[in-house]
Amino acid sequence: DIQMTQSPSSLSASVGDRVTITCQASQDISNYLNWYQQKPGKAPKLLIYDASNLETGVPSRFSGSGSGTDFTFTISSLQPEDIATYYCQQYDNLPGTFGQGTKVEIK
Amino acid sequence: EVQLVQSGAEVKKPGESLKISCKGSGYSFTSYWIGWVRQMPGKGLEWMGIIYPGDSDTRYSPSFQGQVTISADKSISTAYLQWSSLKASDTAMYYCARPKDRVVIAAFDIWGQGTMVTVSS
Repeated sequence: DIQMTQSPSSLSASVGDRVTITCQASQDISNYLNWYQQKPGKAPKLLIYDASNLETGVPSRFSGSGSGTDFTFTISSLQPEDIATYYCQQYDNLPGTFGQGTKVEIK
Repeated sequence: EVQLVQSGAEVKKPGESLKISCKGSGYSFTSYWIGWVRQMPGKGLEWMGIIYPGDSDTRYSPSFQGQVTISADKSISTAYLQWSSLKASDTAMYYCARPKDRVVIAAFDIWGQGTMVTVSS
């Protein structure tokens, strides 16, 4: 299986701050990388696919970049409704492994 | 509206069998794969396996191969996840999800609401 390592595991930031999460794959996955948001008690929601494509209806303050083994997810200006856990997922090979998640809290 | 609706929460004893369901609507059920994702309490997401309802082609994560069975009944647009003998460690929320594209592996853009399975003596 391809291993996905996310960092940090949690972070605390102020409203309006720029937030960055990284995800590293154990091997080259090209751009086959997704980012999901999961709020407590809810199913995950797709935010970014193919490393940098914004899913329809997702606010433009969310963005993704990277290719190969190193990827970045950014919230340009953190909003109160962004409090959630964020997961990366590779889909270069089965199984489509997820990172361990990053919990984002408001300071 | 494209949606996946899962069966309700279950409370079972160790050793019991269980089959949970995921019904698709609003799209051609036989044209898209359906995957299953586990989330143990307070933990992250784990990709379990995926099925193509059109011909029941099924792929499993090595971590779940032999532990669960994924199936589908295309006549009623429903996918299933089943256990023959539950363990306490099967306690988790289980999500079904549909990939964005008509391929075996892609971003999951449609998710069910989740089915909580609790296994306790």
